[in-house]
Amino acid sequence: EIVLTQSPGTLSLSPGERATLSCRASQSVSSNYLAWYQQKPGQAPRLLIYGASSRATGIPDRFSGSGSGSDFTLSISRLEPEDFAVYYCQQYGSSPLTFGGGTKVEIK
Amino acid sequence: VQLVQSGAEVKKPGSSVKVSCKASGGSFSRYAISWVRQAPGQGLEWMGGVVPFFGTADNAQKFQGRVTITADESTNTAYMELSGLRSEDTAVYYCARSTGSGSYYEGYNYYYMDVWGKGTTVTVSS
Repeated sequence: EIVLTQSPGTLSLSPGERATLSCRASQSVSSNYLAWYQQKPGQAPRLLIYGASSRATGIPDRFSGSGSGSDFTLSISRLEPEDFAVYYCQQYGSSPLTFGGGTKVEIK
Repeated sequence: VQLVQSGAEVKKPGSSVKVSCKASGGSFSRYAISWVRQAPGQGLEWMGGVVPFFGTADNAQKFQGRVTITADESTNTAYMELSGLRSEDTAVYYCARSTGSGSYYEGYNYYYMDVWGKGTTVTVSS
């Protein structure tokens, strides 16, 4: 199975700053089938990005995804207070579906 | 569409639990349903899924033989049953609508999950 490694584990930033989150796969992800989710405490995950770079319905354009092959990035251009959360990447290029361990974006 | 899950469960080690997930405000017949779990303070883990319109299900190898995932199209409800419970199965169990591709004969490829239930807490304790 494909192992996804997210870095850093924790990102301490201030509102208004830019966040850059990394997701590295143990092998190439077929067709760049990579999604990103946001999860806040006590809530279910929320889909942000699919296909490495397509925003899901209703997701603000300050969220963007990029990358290909085995290296992917989620960027948040200007952090809003509601963006402080844990972010997970997930690959769906091969079975089983796998998730990264998550990056926590916390207020500095 | 919303996915409404059944309530929290407390189970003894060795027993089974069955969690339900009902599509409210629409039908899930054109989509698959995945089950994802999250142990306390941990990340997300895909357990498997069901394709109601094919009547087929897939499980991650880790759960082979212990998990049964089904769906009832007539009630727009999916189910996940986990047997042989142990303390490590204590987690929040989510159902989620999955897009994907495939056919009945070639199999179904699960993709990303765009609608999630609120989760069902399952606690395994003696």
